[in-house]
Amino acid sequence: DVKVTQSSRYLVKRTGEKVFLECVQDMDHENMFWYRQDPGLGLRLIYFSYDVKMKEKGDIPEGYSVSREKKERFSLILESASTNQTSMYLCASSLIPSGRAMAVDEQFFGPGTRLTVL
Amino acid sequence: GENVEQHPSTLSVQEGDSAVIKCTYSDSASNYFPWYKQELGKGPQLIIDIRSNVGEKKDQRIAVTLNKTAKHFSLHITETQPEDSAVYFCAAFVYTGNQFYFGTGTSLTVIP
Repeated sequence: DVKVTQSSRYLVKRTGEKVFLECVQDMDHENMFWYRQDPGLGLRLIYFSYDVKMKEKGDIPEGYSVSREKKERFSLILESASTNQTSMYLCASSLIPSGRAMAVDEQFFGPGTRLTVL
Repeated sequence: GENVEQHPSTLSVQEGDSAVIKCTYSDSASNYFPWYKQELGKGPQLIIDIRSNVGEKKDQRIAVTLNKTAKHFSLHITETQPEDSAVYFCAAFVYTGNQFYFGTGTSLTVIP
């Protein structure tokens, strides 16, 4: 079974703090994603990564950055946390064979990190 | 970009009845449509998916239909059980942007 783990289930931080959310997958997946989930808004993509050291902005990248130094690990960084970043953060991974046009594969999600910024 | 709309936002059914959740999308470049179930305290989990070259897919009590012309797809759950209670999300994958777009979710409650 694919396993996607996130470093914390619950996190409470103060405004202005630097926050690191870690995600690890154990199935050698090429792609990793960070979403935030808010009531009434569904899941919105923050950043995604196709490969080590590669990153692409999603729909709401402002206030966030990411790091992918190893294939299995994808980190989301809040440089200076703000109260409007209080949310549920979900990490996901998927395997897309390189070179396949229009290829898409199932996303596997982690359990989520509920972040509260005070 | 793609816009995925999902209805209803909440749905209550009696155990044994059917439940239907509908989604529409806007981008004709969408070619893959998964449905996820999210139980309390857990991440979303894929329950069924359909690709744009297929009109219907069924897996036991769950089925998904796709109408590419009208740009809508639906999840059908028959013989609902209390353990079907969860939040369900639809999504559309836009291959030109290599990105998923999610609906806003439907909270399904199955009343015993």
